[in-house]
Amino acid sequence: KNQVEQNPQSLIILEGKNCTLQCNYTVSPFSNLRWYKQDTGRGPVSLTIMTFSENTKSNGRYTATLDADTKQSSLHITASQLSDSASYICVVSVGAGSYQLTFGKGTKLSVIP
Amino acid sequence: EAGVAQSPRYKIIEKRQSVAFWCNPISGHATLYWYQQILGQGPKLLIQFQNNGVVDDSQLPKDRFSAERLKGVDSTLKIQPAKLEDSAVYLCASSPRAGGGQPQHFGDGTRLSIL
Repeated sequence: KNQVEQNPQSLIILEGKNCTLQCNYTVSPFSNLRWYKQDTGRGPVSLTIMTFSENTKSNGRYTATLDADTKQSSLHITASQLSDSASYICVVSVGAGSYQLTFGKGTKLSVIP
Repeated sequence: EAGVAQSPRYKIIEKRQSVAFWCNPISGHATLYWYQQILGQGPKLLIQFQNNGVVDDSQLPKDRFSAERLKGVDSTLKIQPAKLEDSAVYLCASSPRAGGGQPQHFGDGTRLSIL
């Protein structure tokens, strides 16, 4: 069964600190992995998309890594800001050319002053 | 570029009533998705359209849910009759075309509360 697990479920950090969110997946065959940011009351917004051959991708202060061998991904946030408070959802696409996406439950990040 | 538009933003109804949601995807996007997101969960795909044809509706509770995209642009999702467990956010997303590498652009959703 295709599954995406995220850790931790929730995280509280001080403004300015760094943090790393984890994603483990059992999706097969793998096509690509995405990280989305979802602010409260808003729809998810894409941060990064990585294919099998990519092991790191950055978007400003967000850096995603992918280890396709261990089926793990991480999202690192540098110098956190209050506006980073949101849920971060890991999504894995199944199969080459497939539209099927498997969503994780998300990590709820709270950045406090 | 205008984003995915959804309305209404909020809806409160009693169980057994009917409700409809509307979605206007990004202009030119051929693929449209409806998701259900229960509090604390990731989105779950309900139905996917490619232009005005259904690609996948395997997780749509067809006894009470229906969706259409008549002219390949706007779409409506209907629930009739609603149950308490339908309380969720209903998200619409669109992408230029189908395929695993296509980014999906989400609307802000309709939050449905069933009393």
